[in-house]
Amino acid sequence: AQTVTQSQPEMSVQEAETVTLSCTYDTSENNYYLFWYKQPPSRQMILVIRQEAYKQQNATENRFSVNFQKAAKSFSLKISDSQLGDTAMYFCAFMKPPNSGGGADGLTFGKGTHLIIQP
Amino acid sequence: DSGVTQTPKHLITATGQRVTLRCSPRSGDLSVYWYQQSLDQGLQFLIQYYNGEERAKGNILERFSAQQFPDLHSELNLSSLELGDSALYFCASSVGVQGEQFFGPGTRLTVL
Repeated sequence: AQTVTQSQPEMSVQEAETVTLSCTYDTSENNYYLFWYKQPPSRQMILVIRQEAYKQQNATENRFSVNFQKAAKSFSLKISDSQLGDTAMYFCAFMKPPNSGGGADGLTFGKGTHLIIQP
Repeated sequence: DSGVTQTPKHLITATGQRVTLRCSPRSGDLSVYWYQQSLDQGLQFLIQYYNGEERAKGNILERFSAQQFPDLHSELNLSSLELGDSALYFCASSVGVQGEQFFGPGTRLTVL
């Protein structure tokens, strides 16, 4: 079974600063997908960024980028020029490809990091 | 707005009762997933349906069941409810059997 670990329960930074959220995972799969989801106080789950394990290039989406280290099984999220609206819970998630066996094909989530952007 | 709809938004019921949560996926999406988010268990995958067929099972209790109808909407049935079933239940959808999942706003279930 896959596990996802987010070791930072809470982080707080000043507006406009850069912040990095950590995520490590454990799997025996070679191909898989990794995601970061954002959950603001509204509780809506919003997809921030995705990464396919077979791609060596790190994914970027505007101010959001990842540092994917496959050998280290690490998948950190960097938020540049942080904004007040970035305040939310951030969840790292793992998904193995379909038909790979071993059970569920849904997302496996970490416990989350509560990110607070201070004005 | 993700395009995934869930009803009702809130549900308050008593122990031992049965409830049904409903989800409509984004237009064109064939997969529907159900997740439970609680304080002690975090976000857990329950079950996936693809084009009407059960595709994968996660940590779903035997008291819970789901189905996906020909119009692709899905229902999650929770029976013999216990206090510990109080949680936020999310539905998500994706185009195929894998890939990006888009989440609905959730149904907040409170069991008293």
